[in-house]
Amino acid sequence: GNSVTQMEGPVTLSEEAFLTINCTYTATGYPSLFWYVQYPGEGLQLLLKATKADDKGSNKGFEATYRKETTSFHLEKGSVQVSDSAVYFCALPLPYYSGGYQKVTFGTGTKLQVIP
Amino acid sequence: KAGVTQTPRYLIKTRGQQVTLSCSPISGHRSVSWYQQTPGQGLQFLFEYFSETQRNKGNFPGRFSGRQFSNSRSEMNVSTLELGDSALYLCASSTGLAGFTDTQYFGPGTRLTVL
Repeated sequence: GNSVTQMEGPVTLSEEAFLTINCTYTATGYPSLFWYVQYPGEGLQLLLKATKADDKGSNKGFEATYRKETTSFHLEKGSVQVSDSAVYFCALPLPYYSGGYQKVTFGTGTKLQVIP
Repeated sequence: KAGVTQTPRYLIKTRGQQVTLSCSPISGHRSVSWYQQTPGQGLQFLFEYFSETQRNKGNFPGRFSGRQFSNSRSEMNVSTLELGDSALYLCASSTGLAGFTDTQYFGPGTRLTVL
């Protein structure tokens, strides 16, 4: 079935370091892919999305490219800040017609801690 | 535009009780989805309502139910609470016009603790 696999955390980086959080998916067809971020004590916020293969989503310095050949949607940021400390979720929504009941699959979440 | 609001933010209940959580979506959004977030299971989809009808459903027991009103506000009810129902319950709204390729906007969540 459709699923998403996200790298385990926590990830601890120094400020201005390069960030990569891996996400791979298994899906029928070419679904849209999302990254959400959850700051402490808050709900999820959409960080970026890509709706088709080779699309690059970007927001707040974060980028992710929808790669069909490797079924991946890795999140990257060139220079992290302390304010980026949060939990990041990769998400794979499914078409309504898939299996009758639609499900939204989230990765397990990767906690990022950025230290000054 | 006001964001998604959820009430209450915190709840403490005992086993066997029932609870009702409320969610007000962004103005103009007709879809409201509910999720359960726990450290062990992560984020799990409960159900989605669109124009007062349950359109999608996850794999949760019948103790979990919901409804949506004509103004798109939604409530979620959990009956006969169990310890394992302790979680952060998140609500998300969207236009609902493109399935889950819609952008979902999340509320801050309701933290439910079952003693």
